[in-house]
Amino acid sequence: EPEVTQTPSHQVTQMGQEVILRCVPISNHLYFYWYRQILGQKVEFLVSFYNNEISEKSEIFDDQFSVERPDGSNFTLKIRSTKLEDSAMYFCASRPTSGGTSGANVLTFGAGSRLTVL
Amino acid sequence: LAKTTQPISMDSYEGQEVNITCSHNNIATNDYITWYQQFPSQGPRFIIQGYKTKVTNEVASLFIPADRKSSTLSLPRVSLSDTAVYYCLNTGTASKLTFGTGTRLQVTL
Repeated sequence: EPEVTQTPSHQVTQMGQEVILRCVPISNHLYFYWYRQILGQKVEFLVSFYNNEISEKSEIFDDQFSVERPDGSNFTLKIRSTKLEDSAMYFCASRPTSGGTSGANVLTFGAGSRLTVL
Repeated sequence: LAKTTQPISMDSYEGQEVNITCSHNNIATNDYITWYQQFPSQGPRFIIQGYKTKVTNEVASLFIPADRKSSTLSLPRVSLSDTAVYYCLNTGTASKLTFGTGTRLQVTL
């Protein structure tokens, strides 16, 4: 079964450092997402990406965050100048097509990258 | 964006049927209803999706009444391994699929 791959599985960083989280979406998927989950809380939408540009972003996704698809396979989330409150699990997800919320347009999630900011 | 509402937590014994209901008061005409399951330290996993009436797969059944303002996820004969958080997705644009608070299901012997 195709899967979304995320690296690293766990990253520890010092406050103020930059972090890049990497994702390899399923190969024929066109829509890509990043979500965040602080320990014990719900899954929060950060950003969606389609056709090499941001489609939607939440109020969490401010100038500290950026996303990029540097090549045909990777999808990255960069967090600049990390803060203690950025500690969380970050999930990448992808889905096949661009239209609607039906049928095959379900999200497949990666296993997540745990970010710990000290 | 139409936010969903579901119970915060539920408890069940192994072998029982569990029904988790979600309200979709502002669901749009063309929105589907989608449920995900999340185990600790894992990403959410798609369980089931439906538009109306009843949908069944190898994991669960989904019941959607005619007015589509609610949905019920039914897990037959739960086991300890069904302990997880169950989310019904907020409906809205496909480019901004958001999760509600989820229902934390605890299954015990």
